This record gives sequence, structure tokens and C-alpha cells, in this order.
Amino acid sequence: DAMVIQNPRYQVTQFGKPVTLSCSQTLNHNVMYWYQQKSSQAPKLLFHYYDKDFNNEADTPDNFQSRRPNTSFCFLDIRSPGLGDAAMYLCATSRPNEKLFFGSGTQLSVL
Amino acid sequence: GQQLNQSPQSMFIQEGEDVSMNCTSSSIFNTWLWYKQDPGEGPVLLIALYKAGELTSNGRLTAQFGITRKDSFLNISASIPSDVGIYFCAGQTTSGTYKYIFGTGTRLKVLA
Repeated sequence: DAMVIQNPRYQVTQFGKPVTLSCSQTLNHNVMYWYQQKSSQAPKLLFHYYDKDFNNEADTPDNFQSRRPNTSFCFLDIRSPGLGDAAMYLCATSRPNEKLFFGSGTQLSVL
Repeated sequence: GQQLNQSPQSMFIQEGEDVSMNCTSSSIFNTWLWYKQDPGEGPVLLIALYKAGELTSNGRLTAQFGITRKDSFLNISASIPSDVGIYFCAGQTTSGTYKYIFGTGTRLKVLA
């Protein structure tokens, strides 16, 4: 049974057209993360939440925003996708100081 | 910022051989995690390490948390074709924000 669920698995958007990726969890974990992963590279942390506390990475572009309306859901908004934003976006959850559990990812294509 | 250097970058081995890979950093980490990732999928957790010096096994996999808290290794014994994939280490930083950063990955190919 999937515990960290990402929708959709594949997302195609147009250059400059806003897109939202979603993540939900059934684990009741405090911490939720968004990572960006390009072609076989290491996942790169964009931001994470501890409960409602938002932690943005210094090098995350302003084009990327996130919302966490409740414990179970977290969204990644890309306001104006560029070609360079095409990547796999991975959501993960954890309890504080414990293991990270990942969803299956959303593969984003930008046309 | 903190970086995790993972080596080797890639390995080609024969089925049945043992494999060793490691992650090193100039920074201290609180927790080390090892993941395997197949193409188009999210990383799957293999082993979690929480204390300096800890040695943990999961079937044919063994991993250790370095005593200095700056490194970790993963060994795979008697490799099989389904071990093919990319292996990542991840370290939890000491920033107090529960942040994990990832190593650069080791791509493993197993020749039958």
C-alpha cells in the first residue's frame, strides 16, 4: 500500500504555464520534503516543512513555491515553468530524525 | 554548503561478486540513509544508520556509520542481476531542521 502518493506520475506543461504537483501521505509524519532530480543526478532539496514551518533552500528559485494545508498534503507550485525545470520531482516524508520515505515521483516535461 | 561525495561513480561487476561504495564529507551528519533507485521510480530505503560506529545489515547488504560521523559505506555481497540501479547515500545535517542531502550516486551494473 502506497504511503506517500504523488499525482500525477507524468505531467506535461507548456513553457510559462503554471503547474501544481501534489503529494499526500498516510504516515502522519511531521516533515515533508520536495526534491528535484534531473537525469540520474542526486536529488536536490528544494524545501521542506516541519509541521507548518517552511524551510526554503537558499538556491531554490522564486519560481518554485509550496503549500502545506494540512499534515497529509503538500503541493509544489511552479509559477512559470522553463525548459530547465523539466525533471523528476520527488516528495518524501519523515518523523523528526528518522527515515525518509519517498513517493514514486512526478516526471515533469515542459514543451 | 554541505556536500556528500560518493564513490565510485559507477561500477560494472560480475554476478556473484561483492560490491562496496562509500560516502564522505567534510561535515558531520546525524543520520545516514542508503537508497536504491530504479529508472523512473522514487528512491527505496535500504538501510538507516543512527549512531556513529553503527553497523547494520539487511540481507546481503551491510552498511556502517563512520566513527567520525563524516562517512558511511555500503557493501553488497554476492551481487545478482536485480541489484542493478543507482545507489544513493543521504545524510541528515546538523542544522536542526531535519534536512537531508544526497550523495552523487553510484551506478551499479551487474553482468550475468
